[in-house]
Amino acid sequence: SQTIHQWPATLVQPVGSPLSLECTVEGTSNPNLYWYRQAAGRGLQLLFYSVGIGQISSEVPQNLSASRPQDRQFILSSKKLLLSDSGFYLCAWRAVSGNTIYFGEGSWLTVV
Amino acid sequence: DAKTTQPPSMDCAEGRAANLPCNHSTISGNEYVYWYRQIHSQGPQYIIHGLKNNETNEMASLIITEDRKSSTLILPHATLRDTAVYYCIVRVAGANFGNEKLTFGTGTRLTIIP
Repeated sequence: SQTIHQWPATLVQPVGSPLSLECTVEGTSNPNLYWYRQAAGRGLQLLFYSVGIGQISSEVPQNLSASRPQDRQFILSSKKLLLSDSGFYLCAWRAVSGNTIYFGEGSWLTVV
Repeated sequence: DAKTTQPPSMDCAEGRAANLPCNHSTISGNEYVYWYRQIHSQGPQYIIHGLKNNETNEMASLIITEDRKSSTLILPHATLRDTAVYYCIVRVAGANFGNEKLTFGTGTRLTIIP
């Protein structure tokens, strides 16, 4: 069966420090991968999606970037964090031939 | 994607069936009804989805009205661990585009009472 893992689960970082959130999917090949951010009491915001290795599309201009160095690995990064980057980040995947999106456990980022 | 309407909160006694309604009166013929739930501080968990027919899996049952304008998620024997926010969404079937702008509304906060 397919599984998705993302880490770290919680992170407290000072303003101006770098960020790296990692996500891996197991049990499937060539998945579509996504990074979302969920603000408290609000909906999901799609940040990045990828349909293949090295293929990244950004939905919202921001202080973050994403990379997909391997088929089932998706990384969310920042060179210098801002206070406004605080939030709950979700990695997700969908099979190319499927229609259901599955989410990871989420990562809580607090920028102080 | 069509908009959905759900009650903001519901209570259900432990061991009883929890019935969560969702209205999606503007649903299109090629849109599926999806249900997810989110326990505090965790990622959304997929529950079930359907197009026209009623569906059942190990977690829940989904009842879709004949006109497809509303649906009900049924948790047959609710436990305390079912306490969560439940989201009903509609999505185009068979889509293979990468930019899944999945939209969750405010959902229904279900509380299971011991």
